[in-house]
Amino acid sequence: RKEVEQDPGPFNVPEGATVAFNCTYSNSASQSFFWYRQDCRKEPKLLMSVYSSGNEDGRFTAQLNRASQYISLLIRDSKLSDSATYLCVAGGAQKLVFGQGTRLTINP
Amino acid sequence: GAVVSQHPSWVICKSGTSVKIECRSLDFQATTMFWYRQFPKQSLMLMATSNEGSKATYEQGVEKDKFLINHASLTLSTLTVTSAHPEDSSFYICSARVPSKNIQYFGAGTRLSVL
Repeated sequence: RKEVEQDPGPFNVPEGATVAFNCTYSNSASQSFFWYRQDCRKEPKLLMSVYSSGNEDGRFTAQLNRASQYISLLIRDSKLSDSATYLCVAGGAQKLVFGQGTRLTINP
Repeated sequence: GAVVSQHPSWVICKSGTSVKIECRSLDFQATTMFWYRQFPKQSLMLMATSNEGSKATYEQGVEKDKFLINHASLTLSTLTVTSAHPEDSSFYICSARVPSKNIQYFGAGTRLSVL
């Protein structure tokens, strides 16, 4: 079993739609959680940290459920520029573990 | 966010040669840097953790004698792929951890093609 699991997609949605990504992690000792986005043939870029209380950044909302070891990302009013691969990340002080990523394509 | 510079961005080399990749943190000091490898349509796989002033910690299955890591200063880590072979062709990405946080910022990556 992978330490961080995501639905690889691809997700193809129309512009303006709301998209939800889910992720589970197996290491209960994980302390830090993030969502990164990676464009084709580019490096990952931090999208947002994820906290148990949930956090929102504009159109993006991230949630963490420690009891079920589940992380989510919600994108509202999706834009064409949101097309990318979204990486779920969990880890501790020593290292981070990346999920395989969920590929999202926003269609005009 | 913090800035991490990685160089070169693209390397094409002959089989059997060695390739050095540099990773620099430009606006902060990074005691810990990380080296990842990513094959097409796969996730980032951590190869090793580079610690300033000490030996790198390699992940299981990664040959330390083939992938030499040096972290001689607080802003520079290097990865040398020794005696590269076509199966080493991949996207190599470094990251640096911002002190006091557990956030990693990534370099732009190095695309290695071994002929």
